[in-house]
Amino acid sequence: GAGVSQSPSNKVTEKGKDVELRCDPISGHTALYWYRQSLGQGLEFLIYFQGNSAPDKSGLPSDRFSAERTGGSVSTLTIQRTQQEDSAVYLCASSPLGGRGAPLHFGNGTRLTVT
Amino acid sequence: KQEVTQIPAALSVPEGENLVLNCSFTDSAIYNLQWFRQDPGKGLTSLLLIQSSQREQTSGRLNASLDKSSGRSTLYIAASQPGDSATYLCAVSPASPLVFGKGTRLSVIA
Repeated sequence: GAGVSQSPSNKVTEKGKDVELRCDPISGHTALYWYRQSLGQGLEFLIYFQGNSAPDKSGLPSDRFSAERTGGSVSTLTIQRTQQEDSAVYLCASSPLGGRGAPLHFGNGTRLTVT
Repeated sequence: KQEVTQIPAALSVPEGENLVLNCSFTDSAIYNLQWFRQDPGKGLTSLLLIQSSQREQTSGRLNASLDKSSGRSTLYIAASQPGDSATYLCAVSPASPLVFGKGTRLSVIA
């Protein structure tokens, strides 16, 4: 079927506003990951879901960031009271297996710009 | 804490050259290593995955090697083409999630 789908592809928001980023993983993939890629930086892990549970949310940079996953499928990353340093590309990936040894399939990302 | 380093950060070569991209990691206790390609404005595409018990993987003109004990991997691209121009990232799996390097930006000049 289709690959990992992320929406919106671009989002411009004013500082202080809340934003929601959506990820539709590949059907049947149980593991879902959120990463952030800032200009000139590597990929920064944010959170990992196995099914609807998040066994690893250690990468969320502050309590303004939260994520949920429903029905073992769609995931939403929410950033409250956005700051300019939140500007980055947010990438979602899914995998048929969680943990070790499973290749990741990435979406094209959401480019977030906070003005 | 696992750290992944990629050298060089950028590379420009004429079309047709063979080239090697390098990746090193600090903790050899990994389960696998993956090489990805990222085109501008796009997500990552998985190129090769090497399990920790393997030494290399090949796909077309690409060959990736893994020396777990020394914490190194190389991605060899044969007969480079302008379409190979992209950023190449390596990532290691200590458990989950993957830990990424910052990538090597490759330009192949026609």
